[in-house]
Amino acid sequence: EAGVTQSPTHLIKTRGQQATLRCSPISGHTSVYWYQQALGLGLQFLLWYDEGEERNRGNFPPRFSGRQFPNYSSELNVNALELEDSALYLCASSLLSDEQFFGPGTRLTVL
Amino acid sequence: GQQVMQIPQYQHVQEGEDFTTYCNSSTTLSNIQWYKQRPGGHPVFLIQLVKSGEVKKQKRLTFQFGEAKKNSSLHITATQTTDVGTYFCAGSSGSARQLTFGSGTQLTVLP
Repeated sequence: EAGVTQSPTHLIKTRGQQATLRCSPISGHTSVYWYQQALGLGLQFLLWYDEGEERNRGNFPPRFSGRQFPNYSSELNVNALELEDSALYLCASSLLSDEQFFGPGTRLTVL
Repeated sequence: GQQVMQIPQYQHVQEGEDFTTYCNSSTTLSNIQWYKQRPGGHPVFLIQLVKSGEVKKQKRLTFQFGEAKKNSSLHITATQTTDVGTYFCAGSSGSARQLTFGSGTQLTVLP
């Protein structure tokens, strides 16, 4: 069974640009979660999508947005990038058990 | 909103010593999960506890869920260098499938 995949692995942008990160959940999983993990810190919840709908969002500004497609894959968009957006962005998927399966993450660097 | 606090933030132990990390929630939890993140890796699910006072064991790891379902602990007996990583607890409340992660405990095992 293929795990959660994320692309790209690394992304380098400059301040003010936009970044798009992608996530493919485990086959059959309908929920996708996005987290931000700044260097050496914990996981900060960003967004939760389930069955194509945004179910909840964390305490992040509106320039962090996303969507979930009919095949349950998801996209995270970050507009007007700031230096402090540099972090590892983790995507996780789950079904009904609540156990979350994480992807390898996208390392975003904002210069 | 729900907050999950985890202590200690860092722990250095000699190989063979025991290790414990503690997790406390501001609200009653429906379940608590534990994840391990190796350096440079992504969080990997270890276990889920659901019942009040539940104790589960995985080889040298013992997980407990408090009677009030507001706290939990992970104890590792006779640590090994393979135990190195950051251990996160994560809880959910009610019927919510969204997890709130603790800040993690970074374990270093000295050979």
